[in-house]
Amino acid sequence: GENVGLHLPTLSVQEGDNSIINCAYSNSASDYFIWYKQESGKGPQFIIDIRSNMDKRQGQRVTVLLNKTVKHLSLQIAATQPGDSAVYFCAENNFNKFYFGSGTKLNVKP
Amino acid sequence: DAGVTQSPTHLIKTRGQQVTLRCSPKSGHDTVSWYQQALGQGPQFIFQYYEEEERQRGNFPDRFSGHQFPNYSSELNVNALLLGDSALYLCASSRQTGTANYGYTFGSGTRLTVV
Repeated sequence: GENVGLHLPTLSVQEGDNSIINCAYSNSASDYFIWYKQESGKGPQFIIDIRSNMDKRQGQRVTVLLNKTVKHLSLQIAATQPGDSAVYFCAENNFNKFYFGSGTKLNVKP
Repeated sequence: DAGVTQSPTHLIKTRGQQVTLRCSPKSGHDTVSWYQQALGQGPQFIFQYYEEEERQRGNFPDRFSGHQFPNYSSELNVNALLLGDSALYLCASSRQTGTANYGYTFGSGTRLTVV
């Protein structure tokens, strides 16, 4: 499959701080990207998406940045809360198939 | 409005057996994709069904097969189970418009353990 990887397998942040999770992708033809959050025992939950014709998209407390030049995605979470603790995946869409990285585990310390 | 529903939630099978997993897509969705997620890994694409046909397939052997019914629900079948087939199997539904899928939504998965 596509090579979608993450720079850090585990990220620990203090409650209230901002979190940044990074992701690299390999297929420059990918045109759509999604960040998912997966809690233990559950399926991936949509957080935010971005199309390749954009470089930034904001949601509620989350922002996704896309740098096509270096094929890099990041997810920024503002004012991280204990409920944000989970594994985060980026996924790239190519011909209607999603390719996932192995995930980053986010630990939020109270 | 129910989201994507998968059954069963957990399953234990013996090596060599066959298993069938089921998925009901979100209302309004017509496309179903199946993924395998090994422990500590990201989901891996198995195949996608649309209009009752397999449209795309990932790098999985023929032991993995599927079916889509007229009501858009889908089954994943795995024959001759191996220990390495133990994983969380995820179903995702979406709506096909032209060549694009929209509203990609995952179910909570079926945890398959092969002993």
